[in-house]
Amino acid sequence: AQSVTQLGSHVSVSEGALVLLRCNYSSSVPPYLFWYVQYPNQGLQLLLKYTSAATLVKGINGFEAEFKKSETSFHLTKPSAHMSDAAEYFCAVSDRSNQGGKLIFGQGTELSVKP
Amino acid sequence: KAGVTQTPRYLIKTRGQQVTLSCSPISGHRSVSWYQQTPGQGLQFLFEYFSETQRNKGNFPGRFSGRQFSNSRSEMNVSTLELGDSALYLCASSLGGSTATDTQYFGPGTRLTVL
Repeated sequence: AQSVTQLGSHVSVSEGALVLLRCNYSSSVPPYLFWYVQYPNQGLQLLLKYTSAATLVKGINGFEAEFKKSETSFHLTKPSAHMSDAAEYFCAVSDRSNQGGKLIFGQGTELSVKP
Repeated sequence: KAGVTQTPRYLIKTRGQQVTLSCSPISGHRSVSWYQQTPGQGLQFLFEYFSETQRNKGNFPGRFSGRQFSNSRSEMNVSTLELGDSALYLCASSLGGSTATDTQYFGPGTRLTVL
């Protein structure tokens, strides 16, 4: 069964510092991979997704992620953190053979940004 | 274009009761997926409906059920509520293709508290 692991339930960075949120997947066949963000009292918003085109994926709000098959990783980065980036971030996978919208989520990483 | 709406936003029930939650997808979207979010288990997939048929199902007991109407609106029902059912229930809608091609848009969720 597919699964995804997010290393670090909480990450704290200073404003202007690099943001790195880690995600590793477990699947014999590279799945589709996603990063979502959830602000307090809101639903999830898609940041970016990997579907086997370019391995470096650029998303909204300056975020990007790189798919590395050899490391089974899909880490999320942003060069310079803003206060508005404080939120919870979820990595998710989807089986390529699945015809629908089933997503398997990681446990989430809460990002704090210090002034 | 209006986003995904969920009603009610907050709900308090007692053990043993049943509850029905509603989700109205974005206009034109034919797929609705439901997720349960708890601090302990994270985000877990419940089921997905597409064109009034259940297309995918997660690993939840039969107390959790859903349906979709011809206008794509969806309801989920939980019978014989347990304390552990307290959670944020999120629904997501998409056009209906695979996760590779379609973006899932999440609603703000229904916060269910079981006393």
